[in-house]
Amino acid sequence: TQLLEQSPQFLSIQEGENLTVYCNSSSVFSSLQWYRQEPGEGPVLLVTVVTGGEVKKLKRLTFQFGDARKDSSLHITAAQPGDTGLYLCAGATGNQFYFGTGTSLTVIP
Amino acid sequence: SQTIHQWPATLVQPVGSPLSLECTVEGTSNPNLYWYRQAAGRGLQLLFYSVGIGQISSEVPQNLSASRPQDRQFILSSKKLLLSDSGFYLCAWSGDRVQEKLFFGSGTQLSVL
Repeated sequence: TQLLEQSPQFLSIQEGENLTVYCNSSSVFSSLQWYRQEPGEGPVLLVTVVTGGEVKKLKRLTFQFGDARKDSSLHITAAQPGDTGLYLCAGATGNQFYFGTGTSLTVIP
Repeated sequence: SQTIHQWPATLVQPVGSPLSLECTVEGTSNPNLYWYRQAAGRGLQLLFYSVGIGQISSEVPQNLSASRPQDRQFILSSKKLLLSDSGFYLCAWSGDRVQEKLFFGSGTQLSVL
């Protein structure tokens, strides 16, 4: 089993603030994905990063894959209440996807 | 388009009772199929995955088993539930190409009492 640690575990911020979530592992992955999950629903994919050092932007969200393909970060600019949810990173190796420990984000209006 | 169905949405079972959760995928063939379990507000634990009919890989030794009787059907079972089996169970599928992603069902909240 591959272990991916996310930090912080919980994050509560005011609307308009910036934040960064980290996903770290000692394992190398062929790709790394970020998902967002609402209560009582399945996770939904936000982005996939494949190349070491890769940076992808999705509106106010910026994703980066570490050079060694072991870690990743998610940065949100000017957070909005609609960003509230559980953010999960997942590392892919072969046919298996291993998920991080999760970061619960609450954006207060 | 592809869709994934998972049922039931909620299940309350007594300790020692059997379990059967079913997941089916439509609109694709030969998907990779997965069962995950999630504790409240936490990450997903990979339980089983399957790359084809009758092919099951188990990630964690436990009180559960999985079967894939048809190409697009994945079943999670237990003969006797334990309290520790409570949790949110998610079925997912992916294609068989590089850079594939997971598509999840809506989940089953299982409470063992």
